[in-house]
Amino acid sequence: GAVVSQHPSWVICKSGTSVKIECRSLDFQATTMFWYRQFPKQSLMLMATSNEGSKATYEQGVEKDKFLINHASLTLSTLTVTSAHPEDSSFYICSAFRQGGFLGETQYFGPGTRLLVL
Amino acid sequence: TQLLEQSPQFLSIQEGENLTVYCNSSSVFSSLQWYRQEPGEGPVLLVTVVTGGEVKKLKRLTFQFGDARKDSSLHITAAQPGDTGLYLCAGAWSGGGADGLTFGKGTHLIIQP
Repeated sequence: GAVVSQHPSWVICKSGTSVKIECRSLDFQATTMFWYRQFPKQSLMLMATSNEGSKATYEQGVEKDKFLINHASLTLSTLTVTSAHPEDSSFYICSAFRQGGFLGETQYFGPGTRLLVL
Repeated sequence: TQLLEQSPQFLSIQEGENLTVYCNSSSVFSSLQWYRQEPGEGPVLLVTVVTGGEVKKLKRLTFQFGDARKDSSLHITAAQPGDTGLYLCAGAWSGGGADGLTFGKGTHLIIQP
């Protein structure tokens, strides 16, 4: 099956520092990946669409200068939370879009990265 | 803004009972997915429905897509404690390519032994 990994699985950082989260599709190529954020007891909210070789597309209300996305290869997208603040503490989940396969077109989700900003 | 209304948000029932979770929108979906998420993990895909009126079964779980493709339901028969978790519906509105999903608020399900 399609596997998506995230690294790190959790991170604690001081306010004002930057944190990079990696999302990798391990056994398929993904021209499109997505970044979601999930606050405690809430659902997932789409932050941005990461396109390989081009600029990311951000959802309304998501600051592109704060959440830097780089999709440098067909298997890797990175999300950098710049100048992190406590309100950025959340569960960040990526997904990779896969065409074809026995499920058809679908998104496969990573295990998530829990960020805690002190 | 396209919204997905999911209900109920919380449900606690006894083992062996049946339950239904609903997902509704005023817009037509190109496809709808149901996920299950465990605490501290990413969501795991249960099913994708695409065709209006479609019914899919996964053991004791039955998924239905409305004829107009604006609503969907998840029915669990004879619920077991292992079914406890967060169930999420997610929809894509435009077909023909990759789209970010819009998630419902989720249903926190607890099955008591």
